[in-house]
Amino acid sequence: AQKVTQAQTEISVVEKEDVTLDCVYETRDTTYYLFWYKQPPSGELVFLIRRNSFDEQNEISGRYSWNFQKSTSSFNFTITASQVVDSAVYFCALSEAGANNLFFGTGTRLTVIP
Amino acid sequence: EAEVAQSPRYKITEKSQAVAFWCDPISGHATLYWYRQILGQGPELLVQFQDESVVDDSQLPKDRFSAERLKGVDSTLKIQPAELGDSAMYLCASSFDRGTTSYEQYFGPGTRLTVT
Repeated sequence: AQKVTQAQTEISVVEKEDVTLDCVYETRDTTYYLFWYKQPPSGELVFLIRRNSFDEQNEISGRYSWNFQKSTSSFNFTITASQVVDSAVYFCALSEAGANNLFFGTGTRLTVIP
Repeated sequence: EAEVAQSPRYKITEKSQAVAFWCDPISGHATLYWYRQILGQGPELLVQFQDESVVDDSQLPKDRFSAERLKGVDSTLKIQPAELGDSAMYLCASSFDRGTTSYEQYFGPGTRLTVT
């Protein structure tokens, strides 16, 4: 069965600091997809990134970067030079090929202090 | 930019009453999902549609919950009768998923249900 663990329940950083959100997953499938979503106080889940299990290349998008390591079953998310607008709950999620529905972790609440 | 629409945004109801939520997915998205998110937790799948067919409703409490997507476009989720434990955010999402490839899901603003 699939499982997504986000061990960090809450993180607080001062603006402009870098922060890494951890995500560890479990699955028996060889083909799967990993996602990160942002949920600001407004409540709507915002898609950030999708990765398939065959693509371990790290990705950078502006201040955001993702590190996918199959050897440790981790898909970590780093925000560089954090800003107050980054304050939100961040969810890591897993989807197994064929099932397609997302299995979410419990989320990490990030607070960026000005 | 295309968005997933949901209504109502907020609903307060007394237990034992019936409630219904509506979702209009992004045009062209064949797959539609209903998730329930309890405060402080991640969303959990209730039901998944591919076009008008139910793909997965294994986590849907079928004694009180029902969902339909009659024409393969918009969808309705109903609870009858509502119970106190149903208080949660109900999220609708859609995606371009076809076959075994999972694409990103786009979420609507959700309906926050409070059962008193």
